This record gives sequence, structure tokens and C-alpha cells, in this order.
Amino acid sequence: EDQVTQSPEALRLQEGESSSLNCSYTVSGLRGLFWYRQDPGKGPEFLFTLYSAGEEKEKERLKATLTKKESFLHITAPKPEDSATYLCAVQAPAGSYQLTFGKGTKLSVIP
Amino acid sequence: ETGVTQSPTHLIKTRGQQVTLRCSSQSGHNTVSWYQQALGQGPQFIFQYYREEENGRGNFPPRFSGLQFPNYSSELNVNALELDDSALYLCATEGQGALEQYFGPGTRLTVT
Repeated sequence: EDQVTQSPEALRLQEGESSSLNCSYTVSGLRGLFWYRQDPGKGPEFLFTLYSAGEEKEKERLKATLTKKESFLHITAPKPEDSATYLCAVQAPAGSYQLTFGKGTKLSVIP
Repeated sequence: ETGVTQSPTHLIKTRGQQVTLRCSSQSGHNTVSWYQQALGQGPQFIFQYYREEENGRGNFPPRFSGLQFPNYSSELNVNALELDDSALYLCATEGQGALEQYFGPGTRLTVT
């Protein structure tokens, strides 16, 4: 059974204080690993797809990396508007778009 | 903007009732998936439809059913509502990338 574990559950940062969120996964035949941002009461917003170990992607202050067992979402010099829950998901079986999500990391950036 | 819309935004139902939630996407999106997200949890996969046929199902009972229509809209039906069905219900369609999925804003269902 596919499993995704995110840590920490919650993270409070001062504005400008860089940090990383972790996503550990167990899946047979990873097709892709996804990062989403979710604001309260809204649908997840797509950020990145990573397909193979060693791959990296960047978007503004966010950088996602992937190894064979985990992914990191690095946040550089965060701003209060980066406050949200960040979700990690994996996709495994061929022919299906099914995503298995972790519980998320709730990030709060304090001015 | 994902091009995925859902209705209604919020809904309150009583235990034992039935509910229908709706999702619409842009033309050309052959796949639609539905997820349930309880408070403080990640989304859980309910099922997926591809060209109007169910193409994968998660660990949800048969009282959760769905339909996909030729105009790229979709419905999620839940019968015999239980208190634990209270959640945010999300639909998603394929994105521009090979495996990406874009989510709608969700429907918040409260069962009392």
C-alpha cells in the first residue's frame, strides 16, 4: 500500500527565515511526486511534479527536490503570503491518475 | 485559474439524506477524479472516471457513486449520509503536464 508521511505537521517561521518541509514516501513504481499548496477552505493549487530521483524544480521562493525515498520543499526567505498548508502526493499505478496524499504541513510565516 | 468549477460551494444535509455534488471542466478533459478531504487530513481518492466509465476506485462504500457526462461535467452522489461524510469534496481533471491534476475549489458538505 502506498504511503506518504509529511513532517513537520506544523511549522512557524519568521519572515525571511528559510526552512524545508519533508515528504517521505513508500510506493511501488513511482510515476510522479506532486507538491500542492492549499489555502483554508480552498482546493489544492498545483506547484510541482517530480518524476525521478535527482530532479529539482523551482518557482519563486520554492524549490522541490526528489530522492528515491523522500522529497523536500525548500522555502527561501519566506513571506507572510507563503502561509498555507503544503501537501505532498504520489502517483503509482499505470493507467490511473489516482493520487495518494500526505496529511500536509501547515506553514505559518510571521511578519 | 484551473478551469474546474464545483457547485454548490457549501451544503448542509441531515443524516440519512442523499446529496449530489457537481463538477465542470474545460472541454478536452477526459478524466475526472473525486476526493474527500476531512478536516486536518489530506485528500482521499474516491474514484476516477475516464470517458464516462469508472476507471479506478478508492476504499469507499458503494453508497458513493458517480457519473461523467459527454459535456465534461461530472456528479458525485452520496446516499444514506453519515456524520463522518462531513468533509470538503474535491474534483480534479488532468492538467497540461503528463500526470498533473488540477483541482476545483471544492464543496463543503456538513452532515448533521
